[in-house]
Amino acid sequence: EVQLVESGGGLVQPGGSLRLSCTASGFTFSSYSMKWVRQAPGKGLEWISYISGSSGTIHYADSVRGRFSISRDNVKNSLDLQMNSLRDEDTAVYYCARDHYDLPYYMDVWGKGTTVTVSS
Amino acid sequence: DIQMTQSPSSVSASVGDRVTITCRASQGIADWLAWYQQKPGKAPKLLISVASTLQSGVPSRFSGSGSGTEFTLTISNLQPEDFATYYCQQANRFPLTFGGGTKVELK
Repeated sequence: EVQLVESGGGLVQPGGSLRLSCTASGFTFSSYSMKWVRQAPGKGLEWISYISGSSGTIHYADSVRGRFSISRDNVKNSLDLQMNSLRDEDTAVYYCARDHYDLPYYMDVWGKGTTVTVSS
Repeated sequence: DIQMTQSPSSVSASVGDRVTITCRASQGIADWLAWYQQKPGKAPKLLISVASTLQSGVPSRFSGSGSGTEFTLTISNLQPEDFATYYCQQANRFPLTFGGGTKVELK
């Protein structure tokens, strides 16, 4: 079964750091680009980061550039998001998502999400 | 950045109704558009890619159309499991952007 499982969410103070992980199974992880998408409470979806299968191409949304860092380990089938200098507005459910194999930038498999709360 | 504007933001409908959701892009994106369905507390689900291609397993009552800057998602014969929030997303260029969402509610 194709599956993505996020972990690492929790409560953190403003200015703090957190590292999210996403473990993939059921598919050849290295063949797929991956993304992080977040959803603030009661709000819509926001794409925040993209990484190609080889890690050769990385993109960030302006809202997180310089504070967040995406990486992957194709041996461990894992995707990470290092989040630094966290702000109240980073409070959200964070989803990892897989790009469709034939259609870049369409997300065909999603994890269930992990919740990040930034609060003092 | 490409702005995606969905309308309406919510719609009340009954089982069996036909519902149409519109998504407008601030600049042309050809047919690089996806539609997702999200139910409360769940992750989004990809319904349609490339504006009109139904994903495997998605019921045929869902259909997508459009190109350029204007797109529609139509749900024919609305079923109880279709009450959810729907998002469009442009897949033309980074930063990838979503519409604000359309909540389909029971009338």
